[in-house]
Amino acid sequence: GENVEQHPSTLSVQEGDSAVIKCTYSDSASNYFPWYKQELGKRPQLIIDIRSNVGEKKDQRIAVTLNKTAKHFSLHITETQPEDSAVYFCAASFTGGGNKLTFGTGTQLKVEL
Amino acid sequence: SAVISQKPSRDICQRGTSLTIQCQVDSQVTMMFWYRQQPGQSLTLIATANQGSEATYESGFVIDKFPISRPNLTFSTLTVSNMSPEDSSIYLCSVLAGAYTGELFFGEGSRLTVL
Repeated sequence: GENVEQHPSTLSVQEGDSAVIKCTYSDSASNYFPWYKQELGKRPQLIIDIRSNVGEKKDQRIAVTLNKTAKHFSLHITETQPEDSAVYFCAASFTGGGNKLTFGTGTQLKVEL
Repeated sequence: SAVISQKPSRDICQRGTSLTIQCQVDSQVTMMFWYRQQPGQSLTLIATANQGSEATYESGFVIDKFPISRPNLTFSTLTVSNMSPEDSSIYLCSVLAGAYTGELFFGEGSRLTVL
């Protein structure tokens, strides 16, 4: 089955700096790569996703890049703000094979004032 | 986006008892997924629940411990049986945003504490 590794486990940045979280996946059949943000005590919520036919996607301060050859993808947050503080999970799935999302281990991002 | 309601939102349970978690969706969905999130950990898929068939369990999870019902296209239940403190977790129900999107919507979760 799919295995997703995520680094770092914790990340502390100053407000206004950029944050980068990296993930690798094992199953070359995976074609969908979402990122979820989970605030304390809340449900995970999708913030951005990318499919295997795209190398990069951007939404305001958030961007995701995908390298299919190396089987890794990254989340980039620019101009970080205190409200970006949360746990971020990457995930991978094959949308033609049951849509089962396999999650990474999570990154606790803290944006300090 | 789907609206997913889970009950109970939290509960404190005694060792050896069982608890059933309910998940109600505001639209008809083919697949529902049950995840477990242990304290400070990631999300692990327990099983996929399809209406009209038995749930498909992931490695490490068995039907005797986590029986699932899926009586219709908007509702599912997950029972955590014969609980031990190791079952203390958040249990999350989720559904696909669309048949081919891959995006999951999650319920608010049910936080179980087993004493």
